[in-house]
Amino acid sequence: DTEVTQTPKHLVMGMTNKKSLKCEQHMGHRAMYWYKQKAKKPPELMFVYSYEKLSINESVPSRFSPECPNSSLLNLHLHALQPEDSALYLCASSQGLNNEQFFGPGTRLTVL
Amino acid sequence: GQQLNQSPQSMFIQEGEDVSMNCTSSSIFNTWLWYKQDPGEGPVLLIALYKAGELTSNGRLTAQFGITRKDSFLNISASIPSDVGIYFCAGQSNDYKLSFGAGTTVTVRA
Repeated sequence: DTEVTQTPKHLVMGMTNKKSLKCEQHMGHRAMYWYKQKAKKPPELMFVYSYEKLSINESVPSRFSPECPNSSLLNLHLHALQPEDSALYLCASSQGLNNEQFFGPGTRLTVL
Repeated sequence: GQQLNQSPQSMFIQEGEDVSMNCTSSSIFNTWLWYKQDPGEGPVLLIALYKAGELTSNGRLTAQFGITRKDSFLNISASIPSDVGIYFCAGQSNDYKLSFGAGTTVTVRA
């Protein structure tokens, strides 16, 4: 298995909802990432996990809460989001922190 | 990370044409990566370069890691309609952080 998978593909939520994005990889990669991408812009790093521990939080608001249940899974819990949080959320993984990153297909999030 | 200077910002291709784009940086990198992103999808890694001066091919794609470690180019030969999309370069030093270019949007010329 050489891919990163993400669910759901699309998500529409209200500002009071709680939802979660899921990411999975079975490449044995030990680093996993969450990125946010706005239209026609490059991805922006949000969180980095290394060996299932949070290594980096790029000053992301607390309404985004990451979780790494095991070495293959990465979740992003969402609560009380704002309309400006609407974006494509990308998960990526890499063998280690200084190896090339492979991206998943993304979750298109719309906050109403 | 810093944003790299990627050019051109956009280009129109006709089937069969060769296409070129490049990225420059004020910092040196240990790895250069080229990704392609289709609408509504995640970036797909096309080519990874690890050594200064390295020239690597992947089918119709050729990329080079500049000798100064501050630049890279990507060539697409004999373009086909499915080459349309946004191409991003990314530089990586000794850690997790990718510095991306702003992207080159490739569109088919009508």
